[in-house]
Amino acid sequence: GENVEQHPSTLSVQEGDSAVIKCTYSDSASNYFPWYKQELGKRPQLIIDIRSNVGEKKDQRIAVTLNKTAKHFSLHITETQPEDSAVYFCAASRQAGTALIFGKGTTLSVSS
Amino acid sequence: GAVVSQHPSRVICKSGTSVKIECRSLDFQATTMFWYRQFPKQSLMLMATSNEGSKATYEQGVEKDKFLINHASLTLSTLTVTSAHPEDSSFYICSAGQGARKTQYFGPGTRLLVL
Repeated sequence: GENVEQHPSTLSVQEGDSAVIKCTYSDSASNYFPWYKQELGKRPQLIIDIRSNVGEKKDQRIAVTLNKTAKHFSLHITETQPEDSAVYFCAASRQAGTALIFGKGTTLSVSS
Repeated sequence: GAVVSQHPSRVICKSGTSVKIECRSLDFQATTMFWYRQFPKQSLMLMATSNEGSKATYEQGVEKDKFLINHASLTLSTLTVTSAHPEDSSFYICSAGQGARKTQYFGPGTRLLVL
C-alpha cells in the first residue's frame, strides 16, 4: 500500500521567512496530493492540493510542487506569519475522493 | 467549503461499554465517507472506508467487529466502538468528498476517553 514520508517533523522560522515541507510517496499510482493545516484540537483544513497532471500550483503565499518521476511533492509558504503556526500534513491518494494516506505531520512555529 | 459534522464532540465512557459516533454531511450527499483515528501528536490513520448501502472496507489491523461502521443514508455514517478499552481513547475524525473535484472535508472530530 501507499506510504507517505514527511520532513521535517518540526520547523521553526522567523516571521517573514519562507518555510518548506517535503513529502515522498511510494505508490506510483497516486495522483492526488492535498495539504492540510491542523490547529490544536481542531479538524484538518485543506490549504492547497495538486493533481498529477500539474507540476506546480500557487495560491497567494502558498505553493505546492510535484515531481512525479521522483515521487515527491513540497509545500512552500512565503512571508510566514505567526498565524501560520500549526501542524501541516501532506497526503496522497490514487484519485480525489478516495482514501487519503497521511504523512506524519510537520509542526511549524513562526515567531515574531 | 462543504460542512461535515460529528456528534458527540467529546465522550467519556467506562471500559467495556460501546460508544456510537455520528458523521453527517450537512449540505451534500456522500456515497463514501472515511474514518480516521488520531492519537496525540500523531498523524491521521485511516481506519476504514464507509460505503453507503454496502459493507465498509477496513484497513489492515483494524478489527471490523470492534469498530462497527454503518452508512445507512447518503448523509450519515456511524462508527460504533464496541467493548471500549482505555487504549481506544483517541480522536476520531470522519471525512467526506464533495463536488466534482471530490475535495475531502473533515468533521470536527470526536474525542473519546475510555476510563
